[in-house]
Amino acid sequence: GAGVSQSPSNKVTEKGKDVELRCDPISGHTALYWYRQSLGQGLEFLIYFQGNSAPDKSGLPSDRFSAERTGGSVSTLTIQRTQQEDSAVYLCASGRNYGYTFGSGTRLTVV
Amino acid sequence: AQSVTQLGSHVSVSEGALVLLRCNYSSSVPPYLFWYVQYPNQGLQLLLKYTSAATLVKGINGFEAEFKKSETSFHLTKPSAHMSDAAEYFCAVSPNTGNQFYFGTGTSLTVIP
Repeated sequence: GAGVSQSPSNKVTEKGKDVELRCDPISGHTALYWYRQSLGQGLEFLIYFQGNSAPDKSGLPSDRFSAERTGGSVSTLTIQRTQQEDSAVYLCASGRNYGYTFGSGTRLTVV
Repeated sequence: AQSVTQLGSHVSVSEGALVLLRCNYSSSVPPYLFWYVQYPNQGLQLLLKYTSAATLVKGINGFEAEFKKSETSFHLTKPSAHMSDAAEYFCAVSPNTGNQFYFGTGTSLTVIP
């Protein structure tokens, strides 16, 4: 597609439920990043993919967070047993040769 | 290790005045540097990037930034602010070896009519 697509755009979930956030990168982009943006905060790095492998998972805040990427394309970020502090906008970016494009994000609200 | 510091979480300028948003970085290897803009309820849009070519980089919407190695800075400027420039601006650094992409905490720009 023309841009990075993230779905859903908004998600409200109950505390303790699992959620899956999806990122469709731009075709051909080998690098894919997940970031989290909390209210009034900057961008917190979560995980980086190069192709299907994740050489840097250092930003995942706990073992409740996991991510995968298949076919060098779509990536899914999964949050298990959601907590209220997980409420944030989750942003995905893809790129190659240092041209990174961000999606519009998924706004997650845990109630 | 790489990191980015953006001085001033909020900057206000009058319409038509100079915009200066500050960014200092630290990097153990030659860095690539970026400025992104985020309008309300939208994703991040690349304004400009430095990837070791010309030190003065021109971007979209009349913005430019100068890479100053001696000062480890990459400040963003625009000669004349427009109301539509009101947004959140993020500076980012990436080592030229690839991998992680580090962001500053952002500067919120307000343009006063």
